Amino acid sequence: LAKTTQPISMDSYEGQEVNITCSHNNIATNDYITWYQQFPSQGPRFIIQGYKTKVTNEVASLFIPADRKSSTLSLPRVSLSDTAVYYCLVAPSDWAGNMLTFGGGTRLMVKP
Amino acid sequence: NAGVMQNPRHLVRRRGQEARLRCSPMKGHSHVYWYRQLPEEGLKFMVYLQKENIIDESGMPKERFSAEFPKEGPSILRIQQVVRGDSAAYFCASSLDRVVHEQYFGPGTRLTVT
Repeated sequence: LAKTTQPISMDSYEGQEVNITCSHNNIATNDYITWYQQFPSQGPRFIIQGYKTKVTNEVASLFIPADRKSSTLSLPRVSLSDTAVYYCLVAPSDWAGNMLTFGGGTRLMVKP
Repeated sequence: NAGVMQNPRHLVRRRGQEARLRCSPMKGHSHVYWYRQLPEEGLKFMVYLQKENIIDESGMPKERFSAEFPKEGPSILRIQQVVRGDSAAYFCASSLDRVVHEQYFGPGTRLTVT
């Protein structure tokens, strides 16, 4: 699985846009990029997945440049409830059963 | 549609005892995954099961740990002769198919070994 690197933590204020970048230099041709959100004392929750260019849903946007060696999760107008850990995962979409590790993630703290 | 259910939510065991963690997948899901999360760390895959079969247990310690997903009933992660290093949050996820983004996680079981 492609190794990913994310900032350990980020701070933001309510109403701001937050961009969290994940580096994955060794991404393979059949790998997809998936982001999960985890609140304290809860299991992770799927946010968004993409392969290239831009993907948007009701929660976030995912920007992937042409070389796919990085990706940026964009959270528009964050609120206090967006305080969580965000994990970037790179793996084949059909996940052939290889060991899957979420890594340390990025701890986002949204302040009032 | 109820989500993934895990019980107990909190479990305290003394060193040497057995811990048994249960996971009921979402209705209709036949793929179950177990992950372990140590304090301040990310989740690490342990085992992937389908009904009555272990598909991939490459992330599970060879000794003391076992998992099953019987035809009827919940999936069970069993830890025998627990040690303090087993203290962690154990998460179960389920999916319809074997795809990363369709995994739905339960609330986890927090195991404390005293």
